[in-house]
Amino acid sequence: SAVISQKPSRDICQRGTSLTIQCQVDSQVTMMFWYRQQPGQSLTLIATANQGSEATYESGFVIDKFPISRPNLTFSTLTVSNMSPEDSSIYLCSVDTGGYNYGYTFGSGTRLTVV
Amino acid sequence: GESVGLHLPTLSVQEGDNSIINCAYSNSASDYFIWYKQESGKGPQFIIDIRSNMDKRQGQRVTVLLNKTVKHLSLQIAATQPGDSAVYFCAENERAQKLVFGQGTRLTINP
Repeated sequence: SAVISQKPSRDICQRGTSLTIQCQVDSQVTMMFWYRQQPGQSLTLIATANQGSEATYESGFVIDKFPISRPNLTFSTLTVSNMSPEDSSIYLCSVDTGGYNYGYTFGSGTRLTVV
Repeated sequence: GESVGLHLPTLSVQEGDNSIINCAYSNSASDYFIWYKQESGKGPQFIIDIRSNMDKRQGQRVTVLLNKTVKHLSLQIAATQPGDSAVYFCAENERAQKLVFGQGTRLTINP
């Protein structure tokens, strides 16, 4: 299965600022997914990122707030823009490992606190 | 819209006992299901998966059961150990697209 490196692992940010989260995969993948996990909650998909095209956002998430880049088949970034305390969450990237018995692989997440 | 839910938010079992974690899903077109384990401070870790053409699949100490008639999924963990304490999520997938997650069950293993 794929190995995902995500950074930063955690950050504390001032409201009104932006944070860019990086996700690096050790193999080429077609689709990369970004999720948000609010405190004590489940995972909610923010968007799907395909290389060479605009990301597809889920209902309730917009590009101006969560711009995503996908410059190649092993890397993606998610930016959380103009942050407020409500953005305090864990942000995770994921890839389809493409095989039965492996599911979708997740990074270890970025724990964001906005103050 | 699509949703995957769980019956119980918390579950406590004695060490050595078997545990069963349940999940209800609503999208009858889902064809692939995954159980994840999430420990504090970590990302979800794959446990076991099952395709919709099966009703049971076994792994090491874990069994997943799928009942498509009532759209129900369960995870059975045999002989629970302290290291099994975590939050467990089910997730559903239709035609290799996005994963939709359930609410999660926190499993606590009592010594």
